[in-house]
Amino acid sequence: GQQLNQSPQSMFIQEGEDVSMNCTSSSIFNTWLWYKQDPGEGPVLLIALYKAGELTSNGRLTAQFGITRKDSFLNISASIPSDVGIYFCAGDQTGANNLFFGTGTRLTVIP
Amino acid sequence: SAVISQKPSRDICQRGTSLTIQCQVDSQVTMMFWYRQQPGQSLTLIATANQGSEATYESGFVIDKFPISRPNLTFSTLTVSNMSPEDSSIYLCSVATGGSNQPQHFGDGTRLSIL
Repeated sequence: GQQLNQSPQSMFIQEGEDVSMNCTSSSIFNTWLWYKQDPGEGPVLLIALYKAGELTSNGRLTAQFGITRKDSFLNISASIPSDVGIYFCAGDQTGANNLFFGTGTRLTVIP
Repeated sequence: SAVISQKPSRDICQRGTSLTIQCQVDSQVTMMFWYRQQPGQSLTLIATANQGSEATYESGFVIDKFPISRPNLTFSTLTVSNMSPEDSSIYLCSVATGGSNQPQHFGDGTRLSIL
């Protein structure tokens, strides 16, 4: 399957700091999604992106659909302890909703 | 969004046995999917569960090992057959309402350990 590489693999930040993470692929995607997974739970949808260049916010979270359609970015502003978790990007190439998931970014927020 | 319930939430099974995982949604959904998440790894799509017809499996997954049923628009099952320790994973159900461009929402998964 397609490989979606997420960077960084893990992050340790102080509460209140901003966070940036990205997801890259060698192939073009038509849809990019960002999910957060807490221990013992399933992934929860944060943001969905459908158009190249699209910039979408959800509270303190902002995500962008890269102009090349091969990447996406997620920013979290003013991090809080409950932001701790694993963030996954996911992409759909065909429009058939067959998602490929990224390798994940593990975020730790230090109070 | 839809409320998705998976049963069991976790199980410990003996090798060579089979386990059926259920996914129930509180509303009719167009698409249902099954994923595997191996320990510390990302999610991999096993198959799309099609209502009234055979599931569509991804490369590396076969019907004999992972038979899937979807008798209606709110329910699906995934069976993990003839289990081995390598099948120890989290199995997740997801759904998409509306068309194929609608985002997927996930259940909390079934944590399966095979001894």
